[in-house]
Amino acid sequence: SYDLTQPPSVSVSPGQTASITCSGDELGNKYACWYQQKPGQSPVVVIYQDSERPSGIPERFSGSNSGNTATLTISGTQAMDEADYYCQAWDSSTVVFGGGTKLTVL
Amino acid sequence: QITLKESGPTLVKPTQTLTLTCTFSGFSLSTSGVGVGWIRQPPGKALEWLALIYWNANKRYSPSLKSRLTITKDTSRNQVVLTMTHLDPVDTATYYCAHSPPASADRNNRFDPWGQGTLVTVSS
Repeated sequence: SYDLTQPPSVSVSPGQTASITCSGDELGNKYACWYQQKPGQSPVVVIYQDSERPSGIPERFSGSNSGNTATLTISGTQAMDEADYYCQAWDSSTVVFGGGTKLTVL
Repeated sequence: QITLKESGPTLVKPTQTLTLTCTFSGFSLSTSGVGVGWIRQPPGKALEWLALIYWNANKRYSPSLKSRLTITKDTSRNQVVLTMTHLDPVDTATYYCAHSPPASADRNNRFDPWGQGTLVTVSS
């Protein structure tokens, strides 16, 4: 089975840049999505097809994907960005989610 | 505006079968490329994808759960149903359904938006 690996936690100071990675075998040959989930809420997609941002998602969210690693970058991180983030990709006609990363803004 | 809502039992006994219904509005499952997926999340744990059905009735299942899952659609009623057999306490989770926008291939797909989720507890 295909695995996506994320760091369990990332910390960032307000106003700084947060980077969350997602690693998988030849992930750069697939499309990566990123979901944000705040406590008690349903996930919301913040990046799809590696770097596309849905309407309504702030420009401070960006994504990249190359080699074995996809990265979600949040520039000028705000307190409201504190949440769990999950990467997702397709492999062999199945959906795979990463284990999630808790982003703490402190 | 696309909305989805999950419904079904909140408590199921071990070994029983779970049937969940996703009722949606704002899109049609007869539109080319559209899909509806199911994802679950045990308390305090990560998301786990379960199944997806496309507008043309093509289906995708999690390999690890495929033998226990069945996904069907009722296009006229705007509903997707997920059935899971042989429930176990480890299946306790919040179950979400989500819309998959039109895409040319699996790899282009994403889940957007998601329903509010329904918590299912498996206990005797």
